[in-house]
Amino acid sequence: TQLLEQSPQFLSIQEGENLTVYCNSSSVFSSLQWYRQEPGEGPVLLVTVVTGGEVKKLKRLTFQFGDARKDSSLHITAAQPGDTGLYLCAGALRETSGSRLTFGEGTQLTVNP
Amino acid sequence: NAGVTQTPKFRILKIGQSMTLQCTQDMNHNYMYWYRQDPGMGLKLIYYSVGAGITDKGEVPNGYNVSRSTTEDFPLRLELAAPSQTSVYFCASSYPRGETVHTQYFGPGTRLTVL
Repeated sequence: TQLLEQSPQFLSIQEGENLTVYCNSSSVFSSLQWYRQEPGEGPVLLVTVVTGGEVKKLKRLTFQFGDARKDSSLHITAAQPGDTGLYLCAGALRETSGSRLTFGEGTQLTVNP
Repeated sequence: NAGVTQTPKFRILKIGQSMTLQCTQDMNHNYMYWYRQDPGMGLKLIYYSVGAGITDKGEVPNGYNVSRSTTEDFPLRLELAAPSQTSVYFCASSYPRGETVHTQYFGPGTRLTVL
C-alpha cells in the first residue's frame, strides 16, 4: 500500500492547457515537498509547504497544502513543453524527523508542442 | 560546488556478483540517503545516515549494506546481486531548514542491471 497516492499517473496534454496533479494520503505530514525529475537526472526540489492551507506560487506553478495536511495539489497554468517531466510529491510524517521523506509514485507529464 | 556525485553511471552485473556504488557530496551535509527507483514506483529509501559513523535502515534494506566513515562519502554495497536489484539508484544529501523540513539534493543516479 502506497502511503502517498499521486494521480494521475500519466498525463499528456497540449501546450497552453492547464492541469492539476494530486497527492493524497490518510496520514498527516509535518511538511510536504514537490520535486521534478527529468530523464537521466535526479529529482530537483520545486517547493516545500509546511502549514495547512498554505498556497505557494512559482511562476506558472501553484502548490497547495490541504487544511488537514494530508494532501496537496500542483496546478500548472498554460503548460509549456519545458514542463515535461516526472513530478514527485514527498512528505515528512509527523511522527518522524523531517529528514525522512516518503515519496509518491510520481506523475509523468508530457506537454506536446 | 559539485553537489552530489555518483559513480558509476551505468553497470551490468551477473547474479551473485558484488559491487559498491559510490556517493560523495561536497556541501558538508550531515544527512545522506540511498534510494532506489523502479518504474512507476517512486523512490524507496534503502539506508540513511545522520552523520559520520551513524547509519540506519530505510524501507527496503535487504540485500544492501552501507558505511559512513566521513561526512562526504556514503557508499552502498551489494554483496550478492539478484535480478530484483535491477533499478536506478539515487544518493542524496540534506540539511535541516528548521525542525521539520529538510532540503534534499540528489545525485544523477546509477543505472544497475543484474542479469
